Amino acid sequence: ETGVTQSPTHLIKTRGQQVTLRCSSQSGHNTVSWYQQALGQGPQFIFQYYREEENGRGNFPPRFSGLQFPNYSSELNVNALELDDSALYLCASRGVNYGYTFGSGTRLTVV
Amino acid sequence: GQNIDQPTEMTATEGAIVQINCTYQTSGFNGLFWYQQHAGEAPTFLSYNVLDGLEEKGRFSSFLSRSKGYSYLLLKELQMKDSASYLCAVRDENTGTASKLTFGTGTRLQVTL
Repeated sequence: ETGVTQSPTHLIKTRGQQVTLRCSSQSGHNTVSWYQQALGQGPQFIFQYYREEENGRGNFPPRFSGLQFPNYSSELNVNALELDDSALYLCASRGVNYGYTFGSGTRLTVV
Repeated sequence: GQNIDQPTEMTATEGAIVQINCTYQTSGFNGLFWYQQHAGEAPTFLSYNVLDGLEEKGRFSSFLSRSKGYSYLLLKELQMKDSASYLCAVRDENTGTASKLTFGTGTRLQVTL
């Protein structure tokens, strides 16, 4: 059983730039969620995709957007980066049971 | 909305038992999860409770009381490697396939000699 893999592991961007983060879901998992985890905080739900459609969203502005592909891999795009976007971004995939499997995350630093 | 509270930090001695509490106030409830997260790593699944009572899994146990909005994670025979953050998370929706986890801020556990 493959795990959830995210790329890149670390990234440094300048304020105002755009970034794309990638996630390969665990085999057989058709639901993927993205979370933002600031230092010392718990993960915050950004949005969720099921069969290539967004079907849930947290309190994040529209400049946070995503895609899910037919193979259930996923992207998180963030436009017009702000300093407060610096965080660990986690992808979690979910199969037919209740389990959520998290990737190791992408550490984004905005300078 | 959701509100999940857990202590920020705890310290315990190797070999001891520690209990990490979590209280929640949610508009909907469909299960409570505990995750372990070492610094800079992914959260890893520890336990899941959806009905009242105790779930035991080796050195780790988790308890849920839905009427009280309360859960705890019990760690026995503490080891140094148990030093990590422990995240309490509530699944608050299960309408169709949309279900998200709402996390607490995490409890940082330090195990000492």
